[in-house]
Order: sequence, then C-alpha cells, then structure tokens
Amino acid sequence: KAGVTQTPRYLIKTRGQQVTLSCSPISGHRSVSWYQQTPGQGLQFLFEYFSETQRNKGNFPGRFSGRQFSNSRSEMNVSTLELGDSALYLCASSPNYNEQFFGPGTRLTVL
Amino acid sequence: QKEVEQDPGPLSVPEGAIVSLNCTYSNSAFQYFMWYRQYSRKGPELLMYTYSSGNKEDGRFTAQVDKSSKYISLFIRDSQPSDSATYLCAMSASGNQFYFGTGTSLTVIP
Repeated sequence: KAGVTQTPRYLIKTRGQQVTLSCSPISGHRSVSWYQQTPGQGLQFLFEYFSETQRNKGNFPGRFSGRQFSNSRSEMNVSTLELGDSALYLCASSPNYNEQFFGPGTRLTVL
Repeated sequence: QKEVEQDPGPLSVPEGAIVSLNCTYSNSAFQYFMWYRQYSRKGPELLMYTYSSGNKEDGRFTAQVDKSSKYISLFIRDSQPSDSATYLCAMSASGNQFYFGTGTSLTVIP
C-alpha cells in the first residue's frame, strides 16, 4: 500500500501571501489530520477531517483552514502568511481510532 | 500545564546500551498511547501502539503504560546507531485528537 503523500515538499513564500498544501491519505483511510511542527513547540494539532467533515479543531487562528474531498484527499490553506508560520506541516491519515500514519511533510518557509 | 510532557534531551548513549524514554501526562482520559520515531527531515513513523495500561513488546522495543502514575515509557534494547532519531510520544482519549510530546533526541554512538 502506498503511504501518505504530501505536495509540495518544500515551499517558499513571502509575508502576506497565501498557500495551499495537499495530502493524499493511505487508501481506505477516511480520517485525515494536520499538524504544525516547529522546533520550539513540537507537533501542534491543527484540525482533523473525517468523511469531508471537520471533526476536531486545534487552537489556531482562522487564517488556517482545511477541507476534505470525497476521495479523502485533503487540503489545508494558510492565508496572510506570517513569519511565524514557517514550519513543517504534517498530514496524518488514520484507519481507526488508534493509529495515525504520517506523510513526509511540507516544509514552508515564509520570508 | 501542557497535556503531555517529554524531556527533550538530547540523550547520547553507546551502541548496545538500553535506552529509556519517558512521558508524563495530565489527562486521565487518555487511553491510546503511541510512540513515534522521526528521522531528520522526515515525517514521524509509528513504532508502538498501546491501549490502556500494560506492556507491549516488539523486537528490541518495549512500551509500558502506567495509567495510575500517568506515565509512559519506551525501552530500546541493544541500541543501534540507526536508532538515532527523535522519539515522540503521543496519546489520545477519543482517538480523534492526538496530543504529542515535544520529542526526545537520541544519538547512539558506535
């Protein structure tokens, strides 16, 4: 089975721009979660989607949004980028309530 | 107080040593416990999953959960240089939302 894929792998943007990241979960997995990983804060939960519905949301501003499509693929969008948004953005898919499988991440740099 | 606390290290051990990694947590509702390994510039890789209390062994890895103390551990026996990575603990109450430790950086010296 193919693993979780994320595109693009690297992005460089400037402050004020917006960005869209994409995630394709493992086939058959209906739950997709997004995380932000920074050296200081570790892995922080952004949101989780299940069957196209946002089921859980972390403590991030409204500039961070996401969606899930009928084929379980998911996108997250960050508008009005700030320097502090520079991070590794990880997507994880889950077949059940027990385990999450992570993709390689998208490394976003905001200049 | 953070939901999950994990000593960031760094931890440096000689090859062949037994490594002990630990996390504490505050939410007594957590019942799903996981350990992930993350190599530099890669996504986390699931190593061990445990439900509720008890021990689980998989090869050189043993995961322990003590819910009464709100404490989980990962032991690595006969550590290898390839075990050098950051180890993240994670836990969940409902299975919908997972809480991660900040990770412990481990280096195994040949």
